[in-house]
Amino acid sequence: DQQVKQNSPSLSVQEGRISILNCDYTNSMFDYFLWYKKYPAEGPTFLISISSIKDKNEDGRFTVFLNKSAKHLSLHIVPSQPGDSAVYFCAAREHAGGSQGNLIFGKGTKLSVKP
Amino acid sequence: DTGVSQDPRHKITKRGQNVTFRCDPISEHNRLYWYRQTLGQGPEFLTYFQNEAQLEKSRLLSNRFSAERPKGSFSTLEIQRTEQGDSAMYLCASSPRTGHYGYTFGSGTRLTVV
Repeated sequence: DQQVKQNSPSLSVQEGRISILNCDYTNSMFDYFLWYKKYPAEGPTFLISISSIKDKNEDGRFTVFLNKSAKHLSLHIVPSQPGDSAVYFCAAREHAGGSQGNLIFGKGTKLSVKP
Repeated sequence: DTGVSQDPRHKITKRGQNVTFRCDPISEHNRLYWYRQTLGQGPEFLTYFQNEAQLEKSRLLSNRFSAERPKGSFSTLEIQRTEQGDSAMYLCASSPRTGHYGYTFGSGTRLTVV
């Protein structure tokens, strides 16, 4: 059973518009969430993170929102640029009592930003 | 600093052969992780080291898999008696300290077992 779910395999957005990538999780013991971006033939690159004690974290064009009651987080990219076209992975870490090394990843959402 | 390096980038091997992959983390990072990614899936945790100590292993790491990190520097991942189901991208990542989860990943080693 998947603990981190990205239900949209792909998303297409026009350049300059907002991209919203969604992620749902089932494990209430998760206390830290991250987004990674992956280009073809490269490893994932860390993008932004959020602790479970917060509901929003912003870094430039990227904002992550966390809704703990709904077990849902989202990544907003605004404005979207063609260079943002990549696969985006949502990942989560279990509370300190759990694994210290194990980030649990979703299956990813492929974002295409069209000029 | 050239980031996390993995070698080789690609490996094709026959079923039953042994393979070994190498990972060189960022030099000041004391934590090193191995993940595996198959087509259409996100990365899955295999194991991690703090310095030279292997602190955790996933259930995915069968007894055919072994990882080492001698002297707390580079790491190797060996797969013995490879099976077709081992075909995947093997990713290495490192981080500077406990509690830092923005891991830096390498580009991976793509293993194809034929």
